[in-house]
Parts: sequence; structure tokens; C-alpha cells
Amino acid sequence: GAVVSQHPSRVICKSGTSVKIECRSLDFQATTMFWYRQFPKQSLMLMATSNEGSKATYEQGVEKDKFLINHASLTLSTLTVTSAHPEDSSFYICSAREDEKLFFGSGTQLSVL
Amino acid sequence: GDSVTQMEGPVTLSEEAFLTINCTYTATGYPSLFWYVQYPGEGLQLLLKATKADDKGSNKGFEATYRKETTSFHLEKGSVQVSDSAVYFCALSDRRTGANNLFFGTGTRLTVIP
Repeated sequence: GAVVSQHPSRVICKSGTSVKIECRSLDFQATTMFWYRQFPKQSLMLMATSNEGSKATYEQGVEKDKFLINHASLTLSTLTVTSAHPEDSSFYICSAREDEKLFFGSGTQLSVL
Repeated sequence: GDSVTQMEGPVTLSEEAFLTINCTYTATGYPSLFWYVQYPGEGLQLLLKATKADDKGSNKGFEATYRKETTSFHLEKGSVQVSDSAVYFCALSDRRTGANNLFFGTGTRLTVIP
């Protein structure tokens, strides 16, 4: 099946720094990718839909200026958490759509000190 | 709104034990229901799905039946193996909002010991 690669798998950073997470579709082209996050003991929640060559669509309550999404090619979407704070510590996971199926990355555990 | 409530883990079972992971949902439309599995170090993978009431999804010995009357989609396996150790996520998509927006549960970590 299709493979989605997500990096890094774990990152620890200081408060105020920015962190970039990459999501790549390795063997297919994805015009649409999705970013989710999961806080401890809570559900995995859709943050935004990333569209190649156009602006991302953010879910209600997600700050677009804080979570910058770039989908410059058909195989790569990046999520940048700008000026990260401890409350941004979470598990972030991406997915990419091929035909009508979704394929997920392995996730990134972000810890902001 | 749409939501999924999933049995909290972690769950630890001995090999060959019977597994049930409970999942109930709330939806205003006509949802499709899914179970995803995440093995260590890998992405979520679709395990099984059901698109309408009374449908049974099955794969790799796992089963789940779409029960509209109880709004449930419990995951079961008759005899678990060590290789089934993973995190299991129940999810739904509402046809009204499109298959892109999956509503997930919290995930249940299963550990199977020899």
C-alpha cells in the first residue's frame, strides 16, 4: 500500500522557538494532505486540510498564523509550529489521500519546555 | 456534533485471549465507521470499516458490526496474538461533511503478552 513518511518522530524544543514537521507521500502524489493533533487522553482532531498550490483550510479554533502549513509540491506538506509554547505539546500526525483512501504518517511527538 | 467515544486503555491480554474494545458514536447524519490500527513506529492503517447499519467489517481476524440501535461499533477478536499489540482507533466519517473529516476516538493501546 501507499506510504506516508513523517519526520521527525519526536522533537523537544524550548518555548518561543519554531518547529517544522514534514509529511511526504513516498510512492504517490497527494494533492490533499491533512494534519491532526492529539492531546493526552483526548481524541485525534483534524487541524487543517493542506491543498497543493493553495492555502490550507483550518478547522475552527486552530490559529493559522501559529500553525503554518505549506504544500508546495505533490509529495510534501510541512507544518510549522511558530513560537511554540508548552500548551502546544502534543502528538501531531499527517495523512495523505490517494483515490478515496487515507494513508497516515507515524506521527510526531512535540514537547515544548 | 459528530463524536466517537472509545474505551480507555491500556489493555493487556495474554495470547489467545478474547478481545473487545468498545466504541460508541454520536452523529447527526449517516456515518461510515472505521477501525484504524497503529503498530509501533508506523502510521495509522485502516483495519476495517462498515458503511451502513448492520454491516460487519472484518480483517485479520478482527470484526466489528455497525449497530445503529446502540450507536456502537465494538472491535472484537477471538484469539489475540503478540503481533496484535498496537494502538487501535475508532473513527467515523459523516457523508454530509465528506470522507476527509474523520472523527477519531482517543485510541486504545493493546499489549498482548506471550
